[in-house]
This record gives sequence, C-alpha cells and structure tokens, in this order.
Amino acid sequence: QKEVEQNSGPLSVPEGAIASLNCTYSDRGSQSFFWYRQYSGKSPELIMFIYSNGDKEDGRFTAQLNKASQYVSLLIRDSQPSDSATYLCAVKGAGNNRKLIWGLGTSLAVNP
Amino acid sequence: DAGVIQSPRHEVTEMGQEVTLRCKPISGHDYLFWYRQTMMRGLELLIYFNNNVPIDDSGMPEDRFSAKMPNASFSTLKIQPSEPRDSAVYFCASTQQGSRDEQYFGPGTRLTVT
Repeated sequence: QKEVEQNSGPLSVPEGAIASLNCTYSDRGSQSFFWYRQYSGKSPELIMFIYSNGDKEDGRFTAQLNKASQYVSLLIRDSQPSDSATYLCAVKGAGNNRKLIWGLGTSLAVNP
Repeated sequence: DAGVIQSPRHEVTEMGQEVTLRCKPISGHDYLFWYRQTMMRGLELLIYFNNNVPIDDSGMPEDRFSAKMPNASFSTLKIQPSEPRDSAVYFCASTQQGSRDEQYFGPGTRLTVT
C-alpha cells in the first residue's frame, strides 16, 4: 500500500516566521512531488511541484526533496495570516499511471 | 482561460435518490480525475480518464457509483441510489499529457444526502 504521511497539525507560527511542512512517502520509485494549498471550503490549489533532489524556490516558497530519505518539505518564509490553510502533499509513483497519492494534509495557522 | 468547471456547487438530496455531478475540464487537457474528500479519509481518487476512456476505476466505492466521459469537454459522476455516507465534497481535476502531472481542480460539489 503506497502511502504519503503528513503531520495533521495544527502547526502554529507567528507572522513573519518560517513555516516548515513535512511529508514522507513509501514508494521509493516515486517521480514527482506536489504541494497544494486548500483554504477552508475551497478546492486544492497547486503551489509547487518538484521532481529532482534538492531545493526549488518560488517567491516565499521553497520545496525540498530528498529521495534517499523519501521526504519532501515545504518552507514558507515570512509567513502571513493569508497563508493559514491546509497544505496537502501529493506524490506520483513510478510508471505510467497518472494517479497521485495524497497525504491527509497539515493545517497551518499564522498568528498576527 | 476558464478553469475546471463543476456543477452543481451544492446538492442536497434524500437517501435513495439519484445524483448526477458534472465536470468540464480545462480545454486541451486530456486527463480527467474524480475525487471525493471527507474529513476522515481526506482526498480519495475515484476514477480517472485519458482521452475520454476510463483508465483506473479502482477507487469507485461500489456499483452505486458510475462515471462517464462522452467527449473531451464533459464528464459525469452518478450515484444511484444515494446514501447518507456518500455525503462529501466531490472534486473534478484535469491535467495534460506531457506535463509533470500537476492537476488543476474545479471548485467542487458539496453533496449532502439526508
């Protein structure tokens, strides 16, 4: 059973701090890794994807991938109250199947 | 460009009734996914299509659920008969061949079965 694990939280950080969200996966052959943000009552929104080991930066967001340790993380710098949401990690496995395996999400609260 | 479109946005029905949810993927996207989201189970893939053909329906919970994609711009998910445990938010998402498989979601349909 392929799995993606996330701490459910809530993760609480003060405004302006760095929020660190983590995700581990079980399928060593996984190819692509995604972070989605979901506000309460809304649909998941793609923030970043990464497929190579190392860091990928986009504005205040940095995704980090370590395939040897089978984890992917999302750092949010200068956290804002508007970043308060649930963050979903999704992983595409090996092969041609287009399915994404989803974590249950981490709830983030940024306190003013 | 318009994103993924779903209708209705909210549906309240009585147990035993038929429910039909609708989805229009992003133009040019050739993969379409149907998901169900609940607090307890998170986001679950029900079925996905490639070029209007069902590829993987292993997530469809039981025979009461069926999905069709008669053309590249329209898909339906039908529940017949509906049960209270089907209450959830149902999302449709799409992606494009040759991409990195990033999926784009519609606004969802909140289904309540009483």
